[in-house]
Amino acid sequence: RKEVEQDPGPFNVPEGATVAFNCTYSNSASQSFFWYRQDCRKEPKLLMSVYSSGNEDGRFTAQLNRASQYISLLIRDSKLSDSATYLCVVTTDSWGKFQFGAGTQVVVTP
Amino acid sequence: NAGVTQTPKFQVLKTGQSMTLQCAQDMNHEYMSWYRQDPGMGLRLIHYSVGAGITDQGEVPNGYNVSRSTTEDFPLRLLSAAPSQTSVYFCATESGRVGYNEQFFGPGTRLTVL
Repeated sequence: RKEVEQDPGPFNVPEGATVAFNCTYSNSASQSFFWYRQDCRKEPKLLMSVYSSGNEDGRFTAQLNRASQYISLLIRDSKLSDSATYLCVVTTDSWGKFQFGAGTQVVVTP
Repeated sequence: NAGVTQTPKFQVLKTGQSMTLQCAQDMNHEYMSWYRQDPGMGLRLIHYSVGAGITDQGEVPNGYNVSRSTTEDFPLRLLSAAPSQTSVYFCATESGRVGYNEQFFGPGTRLTVL
């Protein structure tokens, strides 16, 4: 079983709509959680960290559910520029222990 | 500032050839790492370094060597290329400050082994 699992998608989303997707992790000792964004054939870039109480960054909302061991990302008012692959990243805070999910592809259509 | 740079951007090798992928950073970050990314799989850690002179193995180290003689550079060597090493390779850095875990990635090297 993979340590971090994501629905690969694609999630086809009309412009202006809301999309949400989850990421599950298997290591209960995981301490830090992140969402990275990766555009086609580009390097991953940090989108946002995920805090225990949940957090927002503009149109993006991240939630953490430790009991069920998953994190979620919600994108409101989707823009064409939100089309990308979103990578879930989990770490136990020991260097070298970052675990990446395979990514969820989001395609925003006009 | 250039951030994290990688060379070459593309490379085609024949089975058995060796080569070095270069990674350089001007962010003065202590931590550097190499990942490979394959279709349908997450980034997998190959080797990492927590400072000059210190390296360690990640999840998939076989067939690769690294060294870290300076803070700025972290080259990845393929000893004898195999088709299974066809992948996209990313170098990443992290400041190493306690509680701050953002990783900054280079643009990647796309390697094909025939």
